[in-house]
Amino acid sequence: GAVVSQHPSWVICKSGTSVKIECRSLDFQATTMFWYRQFPKQSLMLMATSNEGSKATYEQGVEKDKFLINHASLTLSTLTVTSAHPEDSSFYICSAPGQGNSPLHFGNGTRLTVT
Amino acid sequence: GQQLNQSPQSMFIQEGEDVSMNCTSSSIFNTWLWYKQDPGEGPVLLIALYKAGELTSNGRLTAQFGITRKDSFLNISASIPSDVGIYFCAGQGNAGNMLTFGGGTRLMVKP
Repeated sequence: GAVVSQHPSWVICKSGTSVKIECRSLDFQATTMFWYRQFPKQSLMLMATSNEGSKATYEQGVEKDKFLINHASLTLSTLTVTSAHPEDSSFYICSAPGQGNSPLHFGNGTRLTVT
Repeated sequence: GQQLNQSPQSMFIQEGEDVSMNCTSSSIFNTWLWYKQDPGEGPVLLIALYKAGELTSNGRLTAQFGITRKDSFLNISASIPSDVGIYFCAGQGNAGNMLTFGGGTRLMVKP
């Protein structure tokens, strides 16, 4: 079945630095990928829709200059958290639709801790 | 973004008991999905429902797509300790589109 790989699984960084998270579709092509954020004991909230070859679409309240998304190929989308702050600490999860009418499949998430 | 109303928020049950959880929405969805999330991992798809009224089973799990397309339920029969986790419902407008998630149901099973 469709597999989505996310890397790294966890990262600790200092405040002010930038962190890049990768999301890959392993056995299918994804023109669209979705980035979610999940705070402890909360549900997944959509941050942005990543579109291959064009600009990402951001949800209301998500700063596009802070959360840079690049969908450079049909199998890779990256999320870069720029100038990270402790309040950006969260669980970031990407997802992609599989072939045809296949539902969304999720990566294993990236736990970001900003100190 | 919009969230679906999922209940209950948490359940603490005895091993062997049946479990039922549901989601309701003010909007119509074309697809209802149920996911399970273990700590520190991404959600894993359990059941996908594509038609209003559809009833689908996956082992001890059964889910139904409400006839109004605004609700869905998930039942787990004869619960076991490994059923512990957070269960999320999700609605999807069109295939390939983003999901709207419920708030989650945290299930705890006492051996």
